[in-house]
Amino acid sequence: KNEVEQSPQNLTAQEGEFITINCSYSVGISALHWLQQHPGGGIVSLFMLSSGKKKHGRLIATINIQEKHSSLHITASHPRDSAVYICAVVRNRDDKIIFGKGTRLHILP
Amino acid sequence: DVKVTQSSRYLVKRTGEKVFLECVQDMDHENMFWYRQDPGLGLRLIYFSYDVKMKEKGDIPEGYSVSREKKERFSLILESASTNQTSMYLCASSFHPTGLYDNEQFFGPGTRLTVL
Repeated sequence: KNEVEQSPQNLTAQEGEFITINCSYSVGISALHWLQQHPGGGIVSLFMLSSGKKKHGRLIATINIQEKHSSLHITASHPRDSAVYICAVVRNRDDKIIFGKGTRLHILP
Repeated sequence: DVKVTQSSRYLVKRTGEKVFLECVQDMDHENMFWYRQDPGLGLRLIYFSYDVKMKEKGDIPEGYSVSREKKERFSLILESASTNQTSMYLCASSFHPTGLYDNEQFFGPGTRLTVL
């Protein structure tokens, strides 16, 4: 079983919809990262969090340490949000980073 | 603006060739990383470095080596390229006050390597 699972794998939505991408993990962690990868390959770090909630523009990331779960929300989605969103956790026993396989988001105009 | 640059966006090499992938960052970051990304497998760490001349193996170091002679430059070397090394290669860097992944990683644009 993968230590980091993302759902859904693929998501298509209409412009303006509220988007939720989920990340569940099975190990103890010191931090969790959300990354965005646009077509063409470039990766941008969106959030790093170890507790609670962070907000940046239309993006919100939450984490529940007890439930070993994090969500990335996008409000008022736009076609330019179309990308692969990757969750990564830092395993606290050895400081190793483990990546999820990503969620491919496609926002239709 | 933090900038991480990689020497090539696309590269085509032949089996057995020695391949150099260069990565340069301009933010005086201590940590530098090399990942490969394959469909269905996600990002996997090949090697990382937390200081000049220091290097550590990641999850999949076989067939690769690295060099960090200067703080801003981290090179990935494929000693004898093979077709199973066809992949997207991504370099990243981060500031290192306490731990490897305590801070945001800044990624380069990636090099898509094809080995024929």
